[in-house]
Amino acid sequence: EAGVAQSPRYKIIEKRQSVAFWCNPISGHATLYWYQQILGQGPKLLIQFQNNGVVDDSQLPKDRFSAERLKGVDSTLKIQPAKLEDSAVYLCASREYTGSYGYTFGSGTRLTVV
Amino acid sequence: QKEVEQNSGPLSVPEGAIASLNCTYSDRGSQSFFWYRQYSGKSPELIMFIYSNGDKEDGRFTAQLNKASQYVSLLIRDSQPSDSATYLCAVNLRGSASKIIFGSGTRLSIRP
Repeated sequence: EAGVAQSPRYKIIEKRQSVAFWCNPISGHATLYWYQQILGQGPKLLIQFQNNGVVDDSQLPKDRFSAERLKGVDSTLKIQPAKLEDSAVYLCASREYTGSYGYTFGSGTRLTVV
Repeated sequence: QKEVEQNSGPLSVPEGAIASLNCTYSDRGSQSFFWYRQYSGKSPELIMFIYSNGDKEDGRFTAQLNKASQYVSLLIRDSQPSDSATYLCAVNLRGSASKIIFGSGTRLSIRP
């Protein structure tokens, strides 16, 4: 079974620039999550999709972050404009359905804002 | 109060000993609990999940849950240097979103 695919692995941008991350979940997984993990902290949920609908985006800074999941498969997360405090690893995870056991995480995208 | 609390460590344990990691959570309605292991520079990896009060064993790992005390723990027997990592406790909150909230993790170091 192929895992959760994410790209790019690393990204360095200047503050006020924009950046986009891509995620392709495990085939058949209806639920997709984007997490932000700042160094030394646990992952923080940004947004949860069920198929192509948003279930929870209460922690997403909507003035600068946006996310979409077209056709209920892959997803993109965008930051515009980026701030220094956005430097983190952005993790995508999927699970077959909300009641299934835990998440499978992708390898993450490490973003550095300078 | 944080939803999921862990001691950040580092916790240093000699090789071959038992490592004990603890976690408390605030949402009394939480129903499922997870332990993830995260090596430096890598993404979290699910190692244990538990739903019912009591113990659940899988190889060298034992997860313990006490819902009355809102307490989850992970025991690692015969600790190996390869167990050195950050261990994240996670809780599946009740409600329609059914999202998983993570603690900040405990850094475990196994000394030879």
